[in-house]
Amino acid sequence: DSGVTQTPKHLITATGQRVTLRCSPRSGDLSVYWYQQSLDQGLQFLIQYYNGEERAKGNILERFSAQQFPDLHSELNLSSLELGDSALYFCASSVGNSLNSPLHFGNGTRLTVT
Amino acid sequence: DQQVKQNSPSLSVQEGRISILNCDYTNSMFDYFLWYKKYPAEGPTFLISISSIKDKNEDGRFTVFLNKSAKHLSLHIVPSQPGDSAVYFCAASGNSNSGYALNFGKGTSLLVTP
Repeated sequence: DSGVTQTPKHLITATGQRVTLRCSPRSGDLSVYWYQQSLDQGLQFLIQYYNGEERAKGNILERFSAQQFPDLHSELNLSSLELGDSALYFCASSVGNSLNSPLHFGNGTRLTVT
Repeated sequence: DQQVKQNSPSLSVQEGRISILNCDYTNSMFDYFLWYKKYPAEGPTFLISISSIKDKNEDGRFTVFLNKSAKHLSLHIVPSQPGDSAVYFCAASGNSNSGYALNFGKGTSLLVTP
């Protein structure tokens, strides 16, 4: 158990809809990261937050947004969903904001857009 | 644009033998490399890392080798055990000052047979 909790585990929704994925980091971890794993793709970095502030941005679509709350949990909002958004979405956390802080991943949320 | 490449989607090794997983990268700015292991229905877990100032890092049965001139790294598992059967992801990062965006390969599925 990595200590990172993601909810829900599975989500099935229709095109055009909006969903919110939730992540609770390990106790004491200040950084939260979101990754997307589509079929046949590696983990694609979406965005990182550190102590409530956005720190790094990857190939995150404009239809996607995220935030980290004062209690350090994070939410990833996906809107105007398309079939291609179907993927596994992982949240990870780390203590700090440096290369010496390995990421600890949650078990992911599997999103299916029909 | 895949900056971290794992060209072997799968590898099968007999128990007790050496497993060698390979990874190539294209971005010469990468200076920190990691291997993650992933079991089905779980998130990736950190295995071992290496900084670009080293060419080898060892942790028990796991050793990572880095060849900067070839932009190549490899993970050696000796001796391989059935419990090592998992998907192994290579990851790299070069953004040490303003965030921590790991670039992942697509993974190599290792099967260790008894």
